[in-house]
Formats: sequence, C-alpha cells, structure tokens
Amino acid sequence: SQTIHQWPATLVQPVGSPLSLECTVEGTSNPNLYWYRQAAGRGLQLLFYSVGIGQISSEVPQNLSASRPQDRQFILSSKKLLLSDSGFYLCAWTGGGAVDTQYFGPGTRLTVL
Amino acid sequence: GIQVEQSPPDLILQEGANSTLRCNFSDSVNNLQWFHQNPWGQLINLFYIPSGTKQNGRLSATTVATERYSLLYISSSQTTDSGVYFCAVEQGYSGAGSYQLTFGKGTKLSVIP
Repeated sequence: SQTIHQWPATLVQPVGSPLSLECTVEGTSNPNLYWYRQAAGRGLQLLFYSVGIGQISSEVPQNLSASRPQDRQFILSSKKLLLSDSGFYLCAWTGGGAVDTQYFGPGTRLTVL
Repeated sequence: GIQVEQSPPDLILQEGANSTLRCNFSDSVNNLQWFHQNPWGQLINLFYIPSGTKQNGRLSATTVATERYSLLYISSSQTTDSGVYFCAVEQGYSGAGSYQLTFGKGTKLSVIP
C-alpha cells in the first residue's frame, strides 16, 4: 500500500534561517505531488505542485521554493525564513492518472521566531 | 478563481446526534472531495464525489453538481468524529493532470460525550 512520509514533524527556526522540509511517497510511481500550507484559521493554501521529476509549478509568489529531485521525493525550501512562514505544511499526492483522490502526509509544524 | 464556502463554520454536537455539513461552490467542478482533519492535524480523505451520493458507514455525502453544492451527513456522531471537515474542489481541467484542489475554510465539529 502507499505511504507518505514528512519530516521533521515539528521545527522551530529563527527569522532569516534556511528551511528544508522533505516529503517522500512509497508504494507508487510517478505520483503528482503537492505542498500546502495551513495557517491559523484553518484554510489550506496550495503552494506548489509537481507532475514529474524537475517539473514544479508555483501557485503563490513568496520566498519559498520546491524541488523534485527524484520521482517520489518532494522538497520545500527557503533561503531566509520570515515570521509569516510559520504554519502547518502538508505534502500530498495523487495517482497521476485519471482524476483521483488526494492523500496527505502527517505534516510539519513550523514556528518562525 | 472558484470560491468554496462551507457552513456552518463551527458545530457542537452531543454524542449520538446527527449533523449535515454544507459546501457551496461558485462554478462547475469535475472533482470534489471531503476530508476530515483530526485534532493532530492528519487529513483523511472521506469521499471523492463530484456528483451523486455515496455512503461509508455512518458518513454519507451527496453532491448536486447542477446546483453547485455538496452535503456531508454524519449520523450517530461519536467523539472521534471531532475535528475539521474540509470540502475541496477542482474547477474544470487544470491541464497536465495536475488536479489542483481549492479548499473551503472548513467546519470545525466538536462532539461532546
């Protein structure tokens, strides 16, 4: 069966520090991968999605970036964190074929101080 | 872009009670999903239901695509049903099979014993 992993689970970083969050999927090949952010107030905001290795689409201009170095690995990065980057970051995947359901990882809680 | 509105924003139920959650969307969709986010942040897909009716145990969902709304029914609620329920839609075909979902702000459900 398919499994999605995210790490770290929680992270506290100072303003201006770099960031690297990792997401990996097991048990499937060529998935579509997504990064979402959930700030206080509950809504989920799509940040990036990828339909293949090296293919990244950005939905929101910001100081974050994403990369997909391998088929089942998706990385969210920042060179310098802002206070407004605090939130709950969720990685998700779909099968990449016909319209399909999205499955979410456990998330990373990021606090920028 | 498409607007997704969920109601009510908050709901408190006595254990054993039934409830109906509503999701309105502003344009035609080809993908609608309901998710449950538990108190620890994990998002679980409940239904993929762009139209019609589905049932899974105590939960059922109905989407009337022509009238642009979907309903999630919870019967005989349990404390484990607590959390936030999200409706998410995809408007039309986003291209390249990317399946970009737009989320509503959710309904926070609290089931008390």
